[in-house]
Amino acid sequence: NAGVTQTPKFQVLKTGQSMTLQCAQDMNHEYMSWYRQDPGMGLRLIHYSVGAGITDQGEVPNGYNVSRSTTEDFPLRLLSAAPSQTSVYFCASSYSGTGTGNTIYFGEGSWLTVV
Amino acid sequence: AQSVTQPDIHITVSEGASLELRCNYSYGATPYLFWYVQSPGQGLQLLLKYFSGDTLVQGIKGFEAEFKRSQSSFNLRKPSVHWSDAAEYFCAVVDYKLSFGAGTTVTVRA
Repeated sequence: NAGVTQTPKFQVLKTGQSMTLQCAQDMNHEYMSWYRQDPGMGLRLIHYSVGAGITDQGEVPNGYNVSRSTTEDFPLRLLSAAPSQTSVYFCASSYSGTGTGNTIYFGEGSWLTVV
Repeated sequence: AQSVTQPDIHITVSEGASLELRCNYSYGATPYLFWYVQSPGQGLQLLLKYFSGDTLVQGIKGFEAEFKRSQSSFNLRKPSVHWSDAAEYFCAVVDYKLSFGAGTTVTVRA
């Protein structure tokens, strides 16, 4: 059981470049989300999805796009990378909405540096 | 909206000593509360969670946490820390999303 898999683990981008962070889970979870982690700020929600075809914005959505064409995959796209997007990104999934208190599983993180 | 406060940014503790990490939450209804640990360069690992029932929750790695509604707190404790407990610890509360505290970094000295 692979759990939540994120790729790439490390990436360096130039300002203005675009890229996609991949996230896949094999637990048939409906709820998936992306967080970014910055020093002293904990983790902040970027976007989330409650099922295939359904996405919504979190706290810090600007500069990011998501889609959910399948239950398994939830890619995060940086449209035009900026230095402010240098961060560690975590994908998470759970069986259903987090409001039910279900355990949330995290990927191992993607370290992104924008120069 | 829910929020989580971890008052201590950094704690240093001697190996073998006890550890307590503070967490205060703001949430209108019965909260679902979590503690996660993150070792350097690693992802987040769930230590324990509270949904309802017994207010003293046991987790992995010898950690426990106590939910105190009257104080809006969910403090994490370990009676005797090991060098491998050096990490960053996050408290989180759940509504439609996880809201994390800013984290507490724990340093363990020999």
